[in-house]
Amino acid sequence: KAGVTQTPRYLIKTRGQQVTLSCSPISGHRSVSWYQQTPGQGLQFLFEYFSETQRNKGNFPGRFSGRQFSNSRSEMNVSTLELGDSALYLCASSPEDSRPGELFFGEGSRLTVL
Amino acid sequence: QQQVKQSPQSLIVQKGGISIINCAYENTAFDYFPWYQQFPGKGPALLIAIRPDVSEKKEGRFTISFNKSAKQFSLHIMDSQPGDSATYFCAASITGGGNKLTFGTGTQLKVEL
Repeated sequence: KAGVTQTPRYLIKTRGQQVTLSCSPISGHRSVSWYQQTPGQGLQFLFEYFSETQRNKGNFPGRFSGRQFSNSRSEMNVSTLELGDSALYLCASSPEDSRPGELFFGEGSRLTVL
Repeated sequence: QQQVKQSPQSLIVQKGGISIINCAYENTAFDYFPWYQQFPGKGPALLIAIRPDVSEKKEGRFTISFNKSAKQFSLHIMDSQPGDSATYFCAASITGGGNKLTFGTGTQLKVEL
């Protein structure tokens, strides 16, 4: 089975721009979660989608948004980028019958904001 | 408010030794505690997990010890190997809370020959 696929793997943006990151979950997984990883703050939960509905949301400003499509693929968008948004953005998927918190992570999309 | 505190931040262990990483949590609603392992350039991968009704869980060389009254849990890596060199994260979640994980700050483990 293919793992979680995230695109693009690396990208550079400038302040004020917006960015869209994509995630393809493991086949059959309907839950997709997004996390931000930075050296200072560690791993922080952004949001989770299940069957195209946002099931959970972390404490991030409204500039961070996401969505999930009928095929379980997900995208996250960050608008009006700030320097502090530079981070590794990790997507994780989970099967429906898993224990909560049993996540399969992708390798991430590394965003640099200049 | 940081809800899961992890220590130490970094750890150097000799090959064959025991690596011990500790975590403490504040929210008593947490009821599932996974540990993740992350290699450079890779996403975290689930290593082992425990529920608070169990005081210890062992999988191969990896053992979680859990102290519910102290709200603490720890990861022990027995017979540590250079291939274990990675960053380890403890985490906590709440049943019914979906897949929202609260992570510790991570421990960078280096196993030397």
